[in-house]
Amino acid sequence: NAGVIQTPRHKVTGKGQEATLWCEPISGHSAVFWYRQTIVQGLEFLTYFRNQAPIDDSGMPKERFSAQMPNQSHSTLKIQSTQPQDSAVYLCASRTGSSYEQYFGPGTRLTVL
Amino acid sequence: GQQVQQSPTSLVLQEGENAELQCNFSTSLNSMQWFYQRPGGSLVSVFYNPSGTKQSGRLTSTTVIKERRSSLHISSSQITDSGTYLCAPDTNAYKVIFGKGTHLHVLP
Repeated sequence: NAGVIQTPRHKVTGKGQEATLWCEPISGHSAVFWYRQTIVQGLEFLTYFRNQAPIDDSGMPKERFSAQMPNQSHSTLKIQSTQPQDSAVYLCASRTGSSYEQYFGPGTRLTVL
Repeated sequence: GQQVQQSPTSLVLQEGENAELQCNFSTSLNSMQWFYQRPGGSLVSVFYNPSGTKQSGRLTSTTVIKERRSSLHISSSQITDSGTYLCAPDTNAYKVIFGKGTHLHVLP
């Protein structure tokens, strides 16, 4: 079991560019979560998929952030027109459908210059 | 809204001392998950504790559901225990709300 895989581990973009982050959940896990972590805000919930369906995206900044889960083996988080305040570590987590215990990936550190 | 309070915010120990980390939650919960995070590192689940007391090596977690609190006890602390400990209550909803964490520094 490789755990949750996230790529890239680090990404640097210029202001206004697009960033796409990838997550591969643990095989067999039906729930996938995206979080954002900053020193000031701590860990913030962004969005949640269950069996690939988007369930809750209430934590997503509405205009520039979007997430998809086209199949059970990966999810993407896309940020359009990145801004310096988007700089953070973006964490993906997954869990089974029968337990609330979450398993986190190593995160993608996004730096927007 | 739901709030998670962790205390202390930071803690400095000499190697070998014990630590007691607290987590309190403002509404009802089903269980508590504790995570450990090194600076720049990912979150590693330390305990998933529905209720009562669980022990793993030098770590002990006690969760009292009725009182909406959980504690993490670290005995005989080691330098490698340094990092941030986060609690995350399970509220029977998929959305997990994290505390701000306790930053632990263990000195030689």
